[in-house]
Amino acid sequence: GAVVSQHPSRVICKSGTSVKIECRSLDFQATTMFWYRQFPKQSLMLMATSNEGSKATYEQGVEKDKFLINHASLTLSTLTVTSAHPEDSSFYICSARGGRYNEQFFGPGTRLTVL
Amino acid sequence: GIQVEQSPPDLILQEGANSTLRCNFSDSVNNLQWFHQNPWGQLINLFYIPSGTKQNGRLSATTVATERYSLLYISSSQTTDSGVYFCAVKETSGSRLTFGEGTQLTVNP
Repeated sequence: GAVVSQHPSRVICKSGTSVKIECRSLDFQATTMFWYRQFPKQSLMLMATSNEGSKATYEQGVEKDKFLINHASLTLSTLTVTSAHPEDSSFYICSARGGRYNEQFFGPGTRLTVL
Repeated sequence: GIQVEQSPPDLILQEGANSTLRCNFSDSVNNLQWFHQNPWGQLINLFYIPSGTKQNGRLSATTVATERYSLLYISSSQTTDSGVYFCAVKETSGSRLTFGEGTQLTVNP
């Protein structure tokens, strides 16, 4: 199957700072990328969907000014958490679909802790 | 939106036992995937199975799309099978995967 990488795997930051998370599809062109959030002992919740070169589509209740998504190329999407607060602490997972694949592949996730 | 229900929510097995996990969904789908989330959080693709039956080693899956359910079979379970198993579906009319709540599997030695 295809490989999706995510960086960093873990980040700890102070309240009020911004954090950028990168997601890359390593061996296929990802026409669509997805960002999920997962709280402990819960399922994955979709935050936004982005198509290469287009603005992201955010799910209801997700603040687009707080969670900035850029999908500038067919292999890279970034999620920036702006002015992070402790309630933003969570596990963020990216996913990609494209090329010859109908299925989605997931990155290893980024654990964000805001102090 | 589509509803996805997984059962059982928790399952504890002895090593070597077999198990069946179920995923029910409420509408027509054109994508169904099974994942294993390991203790480090990585989602591992197990099956892409919108219909039919597939097998991969000790794991197999069957989706009966007309009856809106899928089953994941784990045979001769090992401690490394422990983790959360998620079913996720994409409605025929939609563009995104919707996840079930998962089954927490614990395999004891």
